[in-house]
Amino acid sequence: GAVVSQHPSRVICKSGTSVKIECRSLDFQATTMFWYRQFPKQSLMLMATSNEGSKATYEQGVEKDKFLINHASLTLSTLTVTSAHPEDSSFYICSARDPGVSYEQYFGPGTRLTVT
Amino acid sequence: KQEVTQIPAALSVPEGENLVLNCSFTDSAIYNLQWFRQDPGKGLTSLLLIQSSQREQTSGRLNASLDKSSGRSTLYIAASQPGDSATYLCAVTPEGGYNKLIFGAGTRLAVHP
Repeated sequence: GAVVSQHPSRVICKSGTSVKIECRSLDFQATTMFWYRQFPKQSLMLMATSNEGSKATYEQGVEKDKFLINHASLTLSTLTVTSAHPEDSSFYICSARDPGVSYEQYFGPGTRLTVT
Repeated sequence: KQEVTQIPAALSVPEGENLVLNCSFTDSAIYNLQWFRQDPGKGLTSLLLIQSSQREQTSGRLNASLDKSSGRSTLYIAASQPGDSATYLCAVTPEGGYNKLIFGAGTRLAVHP
C-alpha cells in the first residue's frame, strides 16, 4: 500500500525560531500533498494544499507567510513554521494523494511540534 | 458550509460488545465519506471509504453505511477487542472539492478486557 513518511516525528524549538517538517511519499508520486493541524482532542483542520511545481493554496485564516510550504518534487513537500510561537504547538499531519487511486489520501504519522 | 459531527465523543465498552459510531454531515453534496482510525500521537489509518453512490462497505469486523440524503453514516464494529481502542474519525469529500477532506472531531473508543 501507499506509504507516507514524516520527519521529524517530534521537535521542540524555542520561540522565534523556524522549524521545517518534511513529508515524503515513499512508493508513489504525489502530485498533491496536504498539510493538516490537529490540536489536542480536536479534529484535523486542513491548512493548505500543496501541488508539485506550483504555489500552495492556503485555507482561510492560515498565514501563508508564517507557514511556508514547498513541494519541489513529486515525492517531497516541506512545511516550515517561521518565527514559531507557543500557540503554534500542535500535531502536524501531512497526506498525499496517489493519482492512480481516485482522490484517496494517504496520511503520514504526524509531527508533534512543541514551541517553548 | 459543510460541518461533520460525530456522536458520541467518547465510548467505553467491555470486550466482545458490538458497537455503533455515528457521523452526520450538514451538506449532502458529497463525493465520498471515509472512516479513519487514529492511535494516540499517531497518524491516520483509512478503514473504509464509501462512494456517494454506495450504501455500505465492509472490511472484516467493520461495516460502514451511508445515507447520503439524510446526511448520516454509521460505523459498526462487531465483537470489539481491546486492540480496537483508538479514536475513530469520519471525513467527507465535498462534491467538486476533490482536494478537501472535512473531518469530524472523532469518537474516542476504549475497549476494556
